[in-house]
Amino acid sequence: DQQVKQNSPSLSVQEGRISILNCDYTNSMFDYFLWYKKYPAEGPTFLISISSIKDKNEDGRFTVFLNKSAKHLSLHIVPSQPGDSAVYFCAAIFNSGGAQKLVFGQGTRLTINP
Amino acid sequence: DAGITQSPRHKVTETGTPVTLRCHQTENHRYMYWYRQDPGHGLRLIHYSYGVKDTDKGEVSDGYSVSRSKTEDFLLTLESATSSQTSVYFCAISEIRANEKLFFGSGTQLSVL
Repeated sequence: DQQVKQNSPSLSVQEGRISILNCDYTNSMFDYFLWYKKYPAEGPTFLISISSIKDKNEDGRFTVFLNKSAKHLSLHIVPSQPGDSAVYFCAAIFNSGGAQKLVFGQGTRLTINP
Repeated sequence: DAGITQSPRHKVTETGTPVTLRCHQTENHRYMYWYRQDPGHGLRLIHYSYGVKDTDKGEVSDGYSVSRSKTEDFLLTLESATSSQTSVYFCAISEIRANEKLFFGSGTQLSVL
């Protein structure tokens, strides 16, 4: 049962335009959301996060939006650059049995075209 | 970059053989994790540790065991490898709270033939 879903396996965007990566979740008990970026042959690296009590968090070119009523999370990258080409994973944290659990989506491969 | 080293980086083995993957950290972080990455599944937690000799199961722990005898080392063992365990394995660490802002190693590509 995939609690965090990234329904687009891939996305292609022209350099300089906006990239929008989407993520849907099913568990209303998630209290923290994160985005990770992964280059080939490397481990994922933390990109940006948002608490469930907020609806937006911005860090430079990266903005994450949270729509709790729709159980939807999105990452906006503006402007997109060639170095942004990578696989992006959304993830969510919830408490279960006294421990915090982190659940990842399937990932979206973003390609920025020059 | 966080000091996380995974070894080996690549391994090919045969079905039924035991395999041990090693994760070594130089950050003195309390929490350590093993994930596997598979197409269509993203990253799934196998086991994690919240201290020396303290470990717990993740969502896909069947067929795997772990050990943590020192803060810096977290071992993942496949007692009898199967083809379904062909995957990329990532070790991760975190400092304060479990699961926030994980730092990942570079991964181990394991092929079970």
